[in-house]
Amino acid sequence: DAGITQSPRYKITETGRQVTLMCHQTWSHSYMFWYRQDLGHGLRLIYYSAAADITDKGEVPDGYVVSRSKTENFPLTLESATRSQTSVYFCASSGQVRGRLGEAFFGQGTRLTVV
Amino acid sequence: EDQVTQSPEALRLQEGESSSLNCSYTVSGLRGLFWYRQDPGKGPEFLFTLYSAGEEKEKERLKATLTKKESFLHITAPKPEDSATYLCAVQGVNSGGYQKVTFGTGTKLQVIP
Repeated sequence: DAGITQSPRYKITETGRQVTLMCHQTWSHSYMFWYRQDLGHGLRLIYYSAAADITDKGEVPDGYVVSRSKTENFPLTLESATRSQTSVYFCASSGQVRGRLGEAFFGQGTRLTVV
Repeated sequence: EDQVTQSPEALRLQEGESSSLNCSYTVSGLRGLFWYRQDPGKGPEFLFTLYSAGEEKEKERLKATLTKKESFLHITAPKPEDSATYLCAVQGVNSGGYQKVTFGTGTKLQVIP
């Protein structure tokens, strides 16, 4: 099915553990994004990617690592999870229309709890 | 740094009571302004894109407008199913030439029957 899927939907992990959140899109969109959403902060950009092998930091990148070896996948890794990384994580993708970003399509989100 | 401020943070309306949500922004080289709707427990869903001052777009009871400094989302005769959080986002270009999107914190709308 066409779309953007995140996995897992829910994850509980312990402080200090490495966690990887997966994101897969089927549209071949060039841009992909990772956001975290916390009460009172709205959506904050963690990392984004303009194409395979091109990534850049967003507003809150510390403690996170991304890679994009294939256009359709954009995994987000928490190298050593901390309680402050408890959040809902959204992945999104966008195509380009005449050099501008088109609408973003969001996944259903991953609710991560670090205990 | 690009910034987006939405107001009010929360809005409670009676069914049929029209109102407007505000999104003020500062961005270096606006490439586009987006409006999204987010229901609880779900990812945001796209509503509109506006590209230049003076542009307007409509969809059912919603109408989005854009000036050089702000955008409004007008809701005419809202219904309870319009209850959601409405997010505004701006697209700019960073120093590396890549496009980036900055979101506001949203307006939580509740429409009471």
